[in-house]
Amino acid sequence: KAGVTQTPRYLIKTRGQQVTLSCSPISGHRSVSWYQQTPGQGLQFLFEYFSETQRNKGNFPGRFSGRQFSNSRSEMNVSTLELGDSALYLCASSRVVGTEQETQYFGPGTRLLVL
Amino acid sequence: QKEVEQDPGPLSVPEGAIVSLNCTYSNSAFQYFMWYRQYSRKGPELLMYTYSSGNKEDGRFTAQVDKSSKYISLFIRDSQPSDSATYLCASLKYPGGNQFYFGTGTSLTVIP
Repeated sequence: KAGVTQTPRYLIKTRGQQVTLSCSPISGHRSVSWYQQTPGQGLQFLFEYFSETQRNKGNFPGRFSGRQFSNSRSEMNVSTLELGDSALYLCASSRVVGTEQETQYFGPGTRLLVL
Repeated sequence: QKEVEQDPGPLSVPEGAIVSLNCTYSNSAFQYFMWYRQYSRKGPELLMYTYSSGNKEDGRFTAQVDKSSKYISLFIRDSQPSDSATYLCASLKYPGGNQFYFGTGTSLTVIP
């Protein structure tokens, strides 16, 4: 079974631009979560989607948004990029059995550099 | 107080040593506990997960949960240089949890 895939793997943008990152979950996984990882802050939770609905949101500004499609694929968007948005963005998917979430599996991440 | 606390290290051990990695958590509703290994510039890889209390063993790795003290541990026996990575613990409420709470990660180096 294929793992979680993320595209693109690397991205360089300049301040003020916007970016869209894509995530394809493991087949059969309907929950997708996004995280930002930086050396100083560790893994920071951005948001979680299930059945095209955002169920949880972390403490990030509104410039960070996401969505999930009917095939469970997800995208996240960052508008008006700032230097501090440079990070590894990780997507993780998990199976949901009934209403209960099972453990998460991560993709390789998208490394974003904002200049 | 963070939901999951983890000593960031770094931890440096000689090859063959037993490694003990630890986390504490604050929410008694956490029932699922996971350990991830992350190599430099890669995504975290699920190592082990346990439900509720007790031990779970997989090869050289043992995960242990002590719910009375809200303490989770990962033991690595006969550590190898290839074990050098950052180890992340994570917890999930059950039932009804849909957000995973992660520790900050412990950086481990196994010296040949």
